[in-house]
Amino acid sequence: GIQVEQSPPDLILQEGANSTLRCNFSDSVNNLQWFHQNPWGQLINLFYIPSGTKQNGRLSATTVATERYSLLYISSSQTTDSGVYFCAVEETGGFKTIFGAGTRLFVKA
Amino acid sequence: GAGVSQSPRYKVTKRGQDVALRCDPISGHVSLYWYRQALGQGPEFLTYFNYEAQQDKSGLPNDRFSAERPEGSISTLTIQRTEQRDSAMYRCASSLGGTGANVLTFGAGSRLTVL
Repeated sequence: GIQVEQSPPDLILQEGANSTLRCNFSDSVNNLQWFHQNPWGQLINLFYIPSGTKQNGRLSATTVATERYSLLYISSSQTTDSGVYFCAVEETGGFKTIFGAGTRLFVKA
Repeated sequence: GAGVSQSPRYKVTKRGQDVALRCDPISGHVSLYWYRQALGQGPEFLTYFNYEAQQDKSGLPNDRFSAERPEGSISTLTIQRTEQRDSAMYRCASSLGGTGANVLTFGAGSRLTVL
């Protein structure tokens, strides 16, 4: 099956810093989504981004499907950005959506 | 409903007992997913429904795990003869389904502890 790799696995930032999280996938996909799991365990959908670039406030994401990667940018990080960021891809030929292992982000005040 | 509702939120059971976990998806969502998430790991795909049809159950670990969605709405994940290794967060997600519309919305999850 498809492999989803996220990097870095862990990230510590000072409040106000910017960061880039990466997601690589091993095969063609129907779509890609980014999620944030907050410290209370809730999984929140950030972006549905099979290709191109989207922005939502301080967050933006870019997917280059032909090169099989996606990037999530966090600008001017805040302590509330802490948690785990997951990338999930939908396999072609069906609707099975596979998650990566996540990037654990801690933003220090 | 307004969101994906899962129950129970917490379940503690003894090894060997059967458990049933319920998922009530967002009204009108035709696609429904079950995932299992161990501590410190990403969600692991278990099974997928399109309406009432279970279209992919390749992620169910063994035959003690089963799922149904008889009327294309509420779904139940059943684990028979539970084992300690079944302890995890079980998450349900729903979506409108279809190409370009498979945006997953997750419920709060059911945390299962098997003693």
